Amino acid sequence: KNEVEQSPQNLTAQEGEFITINCSYSVGISALHWLQQHPGGGIVSLFMLSSGKKKHGRLIATINIQEKHSSLHITASHPRDSAVYICAVYGGGGADGLTFGKGTHLIIQP
Amino acid sequence: GAVVSQHPSRVICKSGTSVKIECRSLDFQATTMFWYRQFPKQSLMLMATSNEGSKATYEQGVEKDKFLINHASLTLSTLTVTSAHPEDSSFYICSAQLLSSYNEQFFGPGTRLTVL
Repeated sequence: KNEVEQSPQNLTAQEGEFITINCSYSVGISALHWLQQHPGGGIVSLFMLSSGKKKHGRLIATINIQEKHSSLHITASHPRDSAVYICAVYGGGGADGLTFGKGTHLIIQP
Repeated sequence: GAVVSQHPSRVICKSGTSVKIECRSLDFQATTMFWYRQFPKQSLMLMATSNEGSKATYEQGVEKDKFLINHASLTLSTLTVTSAHPEDSSFYICSAQLLSSYNEQFFGPGTRLTVL
């Protein structure tokens, strides 16, 4: 079974700060998702990546397959970025579906 | 982009009743859909993998007779919680897998079930 660890669990920052959320996993995977979950519960897929780096607006995601590690960065953070960010991996450990980290609860204060 | 809908978004029912949740892929066909459950302040947990035209594969600890899954078409999977009890109260989320080299998953908005 793949173990997915996220850090930090909780993060409070000021508007404009550069945010980094980390994810590590124990077994080799085929792809990794970064997801955003708002208080209402709905989940939005931010990125899916299997190598390198992806950028979308103020969000950047990187993955290092050899080190089994991924990071999600938010530049020029804004209060509307406040949400739970979840790392989920696909493949490895025998699971058919995604294996999720516990999430990082991010609060951006104005 | 690929859109997945769920219905209902919220349901409150009495203990002992059955509740059906629908998951639809609106603009793509999905041979595989997944059902997840999330308890408060916990991460999502995979319940079962639903394959069109065949029986669902359940994760360890998930009762297949209690959580009935039907994937009758390439755009619809249903989860029926039978004889619901208060401990079944949870947030249920489905995802549909887009067939590609990466098998990306797209998530529904979730269904919040409260069993009284």
